[in-house]
Amino acid sequence: DAGVIQSPRHEVTEMGQEVTLRCKPISGHNSLFWYRQTMMRGLELLIYFNNNVPIDDSGMPEDRFSAKMPNASFSTLKIQPSEPRDSAVYFCASTYGQYEQYFGPGTRLTVT
Amino acid sequence: AQSVAQPEDQVNVAEGNPLTVKCTYSVSGNPYLFWYVQYPNRGLQFLLKYITGDNLVKGSYGFEAEFNKSQTSFHLKKPSALVSDSALYFCAVRDLGGSYIPTFGRGTSLIVHP
Repeated sequence: DAGVIQSPRHEVTEMGQEVTLRCKPISGHNSLFWYRQTMMRGLELLIYFNNNVPIDDSGMPEDRFSAKMPNASFSTLKIQPSEPRDSAVYFCASTYGQYEQYFGPGTRLTVT
Repeated sequence: AQSVAQPEDQVNVAEGNPLTVKCTYSVSGNPYLFWYVQYPNRGLQFLLKYITGDNLVKGSYGFEAEFNKSQTSFHLKKPSALVSDSALYFCAVRDLGGSYIPTFGRGTSLIVHP
C-alpha cells in the first residue's frame, strides 16, 4: 500500500487566496483526521470523519475552513480566504476503527 | 475527558546509553495508549501501542514502553540509543469506552549525541 497520500506537498499563496489541500486515505480505512501542526500550538485536530461523515469539527478554527469527504478514498480541506496565520503543516491521517493512525507526509502551507 | 502530558520538551542522551521519554495520561475508563515518532519534514509514524495484556510493549526500531496503571504512565524506552533515533516523539491516549479521537501530547524532542 502507498500509505496516506497528500497533495500538494508544498503550497505558497498570497493572503486572500483560496487553498485546497487533498488527501487519499489508505484503502479500507474508515476514519480520517485532518491535523494542523505549528511550533506555537503543536499538533491540533481540525476535523474527524467516520465512514465519510464529519463527526467532530470543533477544531476547525473558523468559517474560513471547510472540509469534505465525498467518498471513502478522497478528502479535501479548503481555506478561503487564506491568512498568514494559517501558515502551518497540515496532516491527514487515516485508521480503521479504533486502531493506530497512519499519517500522510503533510502539506506545508505558507501564506504571504 | 482524556489528557496526556509529556513533561519534558527535550531529552538529551549520549549514543549507546539507555533512553526514556516520559508520558503520563488521564482517562475516565481504560486507556488505549500510543507512541508515534516524527522525523524532520515527515508525518507522524506509529511506533507501538498498549490496549491490554503485558505491561511491557515492544515496538519498532527496538523501542518499548511500559504501562503503569498505578502511576498512569506509559514511558517510552530503548536500551541503547542511536543518533538516528533523534526525532520528535508523541504520546497519545484515548479512552477505550469513549470517542475514537485520541489526544496527543505536545511532543518531546529526543537528541542523541554521538
